[in-house]
Amino acid sequence: QKEVEQNSGPLSVPEGAIASLNCTYSDRVSQSFFWYRQYSGKSPELIMSIYSNGDKEDGRFTAQLNKASQYVSLLIRDSQPSDSATYLCAVNSGNTPLVFGKGTRLSVIA
Amino acid sequence: ETGVTQTPRHLVMGMTNKKSLKCEQHLGHNAMYWYKQSAKKPLELMFVYSLEERVENNSVPSRFSPECPNSSHLFLHLHTLQPEDSALYLCASSQDRTDSYGSAFGSGTRLTVV
Repeated sequence: QKEVEQNSGPLSVPEGAIASLNCTYSDRVSQSFFWYRQYSGKSPELIMSIYSNGDKEDGRFTAQLNKASQYVSLLIRDSQPSDSATYLCAVNSGNTPLVFGKGTRLSVIA
Repeated sequence: ETGVTQTPRHLVMGMTNKKSLKCEQHLGHNAMYWYKQSAKKPLELMFVYSLEERVENNSVPSRFSPECPNSSHLFLHLHTLQPEDSALYLCASSQDRTDSYGSAFGSGTRLTVV
């Protein structure tokens, strides 16, 4: 059973701080990793993808992947109240659909 | 227009009703999916279609019946549902069934079974 684990939160950070969201996965042959943002009552929106070890930056977002330790993280710099949402980690193992974690609820306090 | 559109946005149905959810994608993708999202649970994959052929059915009860007439359209036919089927039903599409580039989601149908 392929699993993706996330702390459900809520993770509360003050406005302007760095929010750090973590995700671990069980399938060692996983190849593609994604972060989705889901606002309350809305559908998931793809915000980051990462495929190789290391960091990938896109604006205020940085995804970090460590395949040896089987974890992927998302850093949000200069957090804004509009970043308050549930962040879903999703993992793909090549020949199967995405496996999603339960999500981490982030609350950015103004 | 968004890449994946779903209708209706909200649906209330009785346990004896029959209704259908509709999904259409405008991204030229070859794979389409139905997910169920209940409170405090991870997204549950229900069905996968690749090039109109069903490739995965995750032991979903027969009261849910998918239909994929072409690579752009996906339906979920509902009949004799139970209150525990109330959830957000999400349609998604991806370039192919390997999902290597992630999926694009529709806005979902909020279903309430009374």
